[in-house]
Amino acid sequence: DGGITQSPKYLFRKEGQNVTLSCEQNLNHDAMYWYRQDPGQGLRLIYYSQIVNDFQKGDIAEGYSVSREKKESFPLTVTSAQKNPTAFYLCASGDSPTRFNQPQHFGDGTRLSIL
Amino acid sequence: QKEVEQDPGPLSVPEGAIVSLNCTYSNSAFQYFMWYRQYSRKGPELLMYTYSSGNKEDGRFTAQVDKSSKYISLFIRDSQPSDSATYLCAMIGTGNQFYFGTGTSLTVIP
Repeated sequence: DGGITQSPKYLFRKEGQNVTLSCEQNLNHDAMYWYRQDPGQGLRLIYYSQIVNDFQKGDIAEGYSVSREKKESFPLTVTSAQKNPTAFYLCASGDSPTRFNQPQHFGDGTRLSIL
Repeated sequence: QKEVEQDPGPLSVPEGAIVSLNCTYSNSAFQYFMWYRQYSRKGPELLMYTYSSGNKEDGRFTAQVDKSSKYISLFIRDSQPSDSATYLCAMIGTGNQFYFGTGTSLTVIP
């Protein structure tokens, strides 16, 4: 089945620790996105990538880093510099934004908590 | 002013009721509109995708866009307990930038 797979489903971070959230898609989409979802605040864009080896900061990139070495994969690292990392993280993908105004499709998220 | 405004609810209705969910927006350049359904601890699932003004129907769901009023709606007919979820509206602006509402929480009571 085509879709977006996020892992792990739940993740716990210790103080001073970096953690990496995985996102893989087999939809052959060019664009991939990372969002953070907090209660009452909706979706906030962290980073996005339109093509391999290129990515752009979103609205709340501080304390996060990403890489896009393969079309299928867009991992997100939550660094120790992110002081309030507890949230639900969503990965999404979509067709090339330069050609189509197509909707984004989402994975089932990773819930990150502080130990 | 936020680009997209959505009443967070919560909204509670009896089974079988007609549900109306709404969003307003400020940017007249928006032309592509979406509704997503999000169950608890899951990612948003695309329900409806519409372009410009008018209605689009899919089973019990109808998406309506009124560009003159900058207002979009999602109607759910014969609501079921399985419709209980958070509903997010979304729009695409220039440069393929996405704007999401904060979501409306809906509970359908058996």
